[in-house]
Amino acid sequence: GQSLEQPSEVTAVEGAIVQINCTYQTSGFYGLSWYQQHDGGAPTFLSYNALDGLEETGRFSSFLSRSDSYGYLLLQELQMKDSASYFCAVPLRGTARQLTFGSGTQLTVLP
Amino acid sequence: DTEVTQTPKHLVMGMTNKKSLKCEQHMGHRAMYWYKQKAKKPPELMFVYSYEKLSINESVPSRFSPECPNSSLLNLHLHALQPEDSALYLCASSQDGTGLNEQFFGPGTRLTVL
Repeated sequence: GQSLEQPSEVTAVEGAIVQINCTYQTSGFYGLSWYQQHDGGAPTFLSYNALDGLEETGRFSSFLSRSDSYGYLLLQELQMKDSASYFCAVPLRGTARQLTFGSGTQLTVLP
Repeated sequence: DTEVTQTPKHLVMGMTNKKSLKCEQHMGHRAMYWYKQKAKKPPELMFVYSYEKLSINESVPSRFSPECPNSSLLNLHLHALQPEDSALYLCASSQDGTGLNEQFFGPGTRLTVL
């Protein structure tokens, strides 16, 4: 079957660094995406890794290891506004390879 | 314009009502999606239109009926819903329907079924 696992909650303080892990099991793998969703808001795209390694975009970085079926989102210099849910997502193998989301990690940033 | 718009923002309906949710994008995207999201849960895919043709219907009950009048518009017609259908309904679009491209989400319609 297909599954993505990520921690349900993470708490950190402003200015800190936090890593949100995602492990996946899929019958075919095309890449790992990350989305952020604030309470009451829409999911917004953060990053997509198709190849192994680290992709950096400002304070956020995303890492993928295809051999370990594992990726993570790294958030640096945490700010209060980073408090949100973070979802990893993969395109499923099939006729259209649609996105399926992990269960989400609720990040709380404390002052 | 990198925005997906959805109307209405909020909708309260009875179990015998018929209503429609609307979604629009002007990014030239050829794939559009409906997702259902319950509180504290991830979005669940309901329907995908790729090049204006329904390509995926994730075993959604027939009381939900999608429609894609053109490449910019997506509707979700609701009829005889149940209270458990109360949720946030999200529309999204992407360049194509491969799942490999970024999806742009609208703000959602928060639906309450009484």
